[in-house]
Amino acid sequence: SQTIHQWPATLVQPVGSPLSLECTVEGTSNPNLYWYRQAAGRGLQLLFYSVGIGQISSEVPQNLSASRPQDRQFILSSKKLLLSDSGFYLCAWRSFFTGELFFGEGSRLTVL
Amino acid sequence: SQQGEEDPQALSIQEGENATMNCSYKTSINNLQWYRQNSGRGLVHLILIRSNEREKHSGRLRVTLDTSKKSSSLLITASRAADTASYFCATDPGRRALTFGSGTRLQVQP
Repeated sequence: SQTIHQWPATLVQPVGSPLSLECTVEGTSNPNLYWYRQAAGRGLQLLFYSVGIGQISSEVPQNLSASRPQDRQFILSSKKLLLSDSGFYLCAWRSFFTGELFFGEGSRLTVL
Repeated sequence: SQQGEEDPQALSIQEGENATMNCSYKTSINNLQWYRQNSGRGLVHLILIRSNEREKHSGRLRVTLDTSKKSSSLLITASRAADTASYFCATDPGRRALTFGSGTRLQVQP
């Protein structure tokens, strides 16, 4: 069966520090992968999605970047964090057959 | 910007009652999906309804879709305390990414 892992689960970082959030998927090949951000008590904002290695689409211009160095690995990065980068970051992969998204457990980032 | 908007933003009911949440969207869609999120956790897929379907059932869940009004509703019958969560609709316009609404926070009082 397919599983998706995200880490770290919780992160507290100072303003101006770098960021790296990692997501890996098991049990499927060449998945479409997604990074969403959720502000407290709000809906999900699509940040990036990828349909293959090295292929990244950015939905919102911002302080973040994404990379897909391997088929089942998706990384969210920042060189210098801003206070506004705080939030709950969710990685997901999409089933070709059903169209549904499968989410990881999320990474909660607090920028101080 | 959010494609779907849920209504109400928050809902509090007693166990055993039915809970109805609504979702409105703006553009044409291939399908609409509903997800559930427990506090501090990832989202879990509940049900998908295609644009050519009007109603779909799954256990205690009933979803309707009105493409002419660009709206959907999620009904949870005989609610339980364990149904307490946030519920989101997500629209699939046929591109690669789903667009989520702002969610309805459901509180079921035991």
